[in-house]
Amino acid sequence: DAMVIQNPRYQVTQFGKPVTLSCSQTLNHNVMYWYQQKSSQAPKLLFHYYDKDFNNEADTPDNFQSRRPNTSFCFLDIRSPGLGDAAMYLCATSPGGLAGEIHEQYFGPGTRLTVT
Amino acid sequence: AQSVTQPDIHITVSEGASLELRCNYSYGATPYLFWYVQSPGQGLQLLLKYFSGDTLVQGIKGFEAEFKRSQSSFNLRKPSVHWSDAAEYFCAVGASRGGADGLTFGKGTHLIIQP
Repeated sequence: DAMVIQNPRYQVTQFGKPVTLSCSQTLNHNVMYWYQQKSSQAPKLLFHYYDKDFNNEADTPDNFQSRRPNTSFCFLDIRSPGLGDAAMYLCATSPGGLAGEIHEQYFGPGTRLTVT
Repeated sequence: AQSVTQPDIHITVSEGASLELRCNYSYGATPYLFWYVQSPGQGLQLLLKYFSGDTLVQGIKGFEAEFKRSQSSFNLRKPSVHWSDAAEYFCAVGASRGGADGLTFGKGTHLIIQP
């Protein structure tokens, strides 16, 4: 089945220790997104890639970076995690398309990050 | 900028009863509207979407939603809930610039099902 896969499902890191979260997709979608969802809150978009073009949200901290080495994979790097970065991180994909189009997004199961 | 309001943080419904979850949006152009459901510790699953056309849209798991432009609403309904419907429900609006923008979510409504 075509899907969005996130690894690991649970990640524990230490305060200030860099961590990388992984997302892969078999949908061959052009667009990949990273959302941060803190406890009992709505998902908040951090950034997205349209093919190789990186689009950062204005209020995403510099501490968060992303890489997309190919169509299938996208990584979220947190350079120096703080306690406030503990959250569920959701990866999503969408087909993308022409300007003016909108498509639904397909979400992975998420990675729950704990910072100790 | 677009925004979504879900006025009810928690809703408790008896199993077998009908359900309506409220969603109001703010967006200057034609909105693209979605309802997602999230079970504990899981990602988001799309229930239904509205892009254009018929304002009553049918989704999975017996859910439907009605787009009312005059009220800027997109309420989710189900005629008879099941215990497995207990989850967090998010309404979201998508913009149309570039065809790839992220979604703006409401804060969610936590649905509790009473036996």
